[in-house]
Amino acid sequence: GAVVSQHPSWVICKSGTSVKIECRSLDFQATTMFWYRQFPKQSLMLMATSNEGSKATYEQGVEKDKFLINHASLTLSTLTVTSAHPEDSSFYICSALTPSNQPQHFGDGTRLSIL
Amino acid sequence: QQQVKQSPQSLIVQKGGISIINCAYENTAFDYFPWYQQFPGKGPALLIAIRPDVSEKKEGRFTISFNKSAKQFSLHIMDSQPGDSATYFCAASYSGNTPLVFGKGTRLSVIA
Repeated sequence: GAVVSQHPSWVICKSGTSVKIECRSLDFQATTMFWYRQFPKQSLMLMATSNEGSKATYEQGVEKDKFLINHASLTLSTLTVTSAHPEDSSFYICSALTPSNQPQHFGDGTRLSIL
Repeated sequence: QQQVKQSPQSLIVQKGGISIINCAYENTAFDYFPWYQQFPGKGPALLIAIRPDVSEKKEGRFTISFNKSAKQFSLHIMDSQPGDSATYFCAASYSGNTPLVFGKGTRLSVIA
């Protein structure tokens, strides 16, 4: 089945650090990937849509200069949280669409803790 | 505006019982309705999905019932097991490469 790998699974860093999270589709090409954010005991909130070879589309209220998304290949999208602060601490999850579109396949998430 | 409303927020079911989670949507343009299961510290995993052209879909112990006129769909878990204890999310989207709109989730606890 379609597998999406996300790395790292857990990162702890100091305030002001930039953190890069990778999302890879392991056995299929993904033209479109999505990035979600999930706070404890809450639902997934869409942050941005990442399309290979073009600029990401951000949801209202998500700072594009804060959350840099790069989708340079059909199997890799990256999310960089720049100058991270404690309020950026959250669970970040990516998903990818197979060439036949739905369903979306999710990675196992990245727990980001900013001290 | 919440486009997908999910209930209940939490649910406790005895082992062997039926777990029922309900969702209602507002946008009639939605045409894809999946259910995801999420364990703590993990990403959501697709359980089962349905499109509006059918009223019911069954896969093993999991069944989706879909009522297009009422704009509602539900997940039934038959013979619930302790291993089913997780958070369940309903979602909806349009066809093609559009993102999912998630419900707020239901925390299911199956007790022996």
